[in-house]
Amino acid sequence: AQTIHQWPVAEIKAVGSPLSLGCTIKGKSSPNLYWYWQATGGTLQQLFYSITVGQVESVVQLNLSASRPKDDQFILSTEKLLLSHSGFYLCAWGLGAGEQYFGPGTRLTVL
Amino acid sequence: QQKVQQSPESLSVPEGGMASLNCTSSDRNFQYFWWYRQHSGEGPKALMSIFSDGDKKEGRFTAHLNKASLHVSLHIRDSQPSDSALYFCAAMNNNAGAKLTFGGGTRLTVRP
Repeated sequence: AQTIHQWPVAEIKAVGSPLSLGCTIKGKSSPNLYWYWQATGGTLQQLFYSITVGQVESVVQLNLSASRPKDDQFILSTEKLLLSHSGFYLCAWGLGAGEQYFGPGTRLTVL
Repeated sequence: QQKVQQSPESLSVPEGGMASLNCTSSDRNFQYFWWYRQHSGEGPKALMSIFSDGDKKEGRFTAHLNKASLHVSLHIRDSQPSDSALYFCAAMNNNAGAKLTFGGGTRLTVRP
């Protein structure tokens, strides 16, 4: 069975500090990987997607970057956090035009 | 303007009642539609997909698609308190890495 793990579960960070969020998918080879951002109670905004190792496409510019260093790992990061980065970050995997499977998410609060 | 619009923003139904959620797309390139459900503090989970015109039924859930009007709906019969959640309609055009475009969501509350 496939499992998706995100870390950390929650973060409280200061404006201007760096950030790194991680996502690992086990049990599925070469999935498409996605990062989403969600304001509290809001819609899901896709940030990045990756079809293969080392290749990441940006969907929206939010002063964030993403990398896929391994087939099963997706990293979201920034060198300098803004207040507007607060929210719920979700990693997901999928295959082609099929269903996307979301992780449990990371709650980020920027103060 | 959002490419996928949902209505209503919030909905309250009594336990055992019928909940009806609506979704309209403004992009005719969208070919595949999904309904996702998100309970508070969790990631969304797919409820069902619909790719062809007409109805698709899975248990208490029925989705309807009209490609001509780009309208998708979800009907939940015999609603349960556990159905209380945020529901998203999502559309995909099978291009560009299978990007899902989500609607703004409908907050459903089922009153015991």
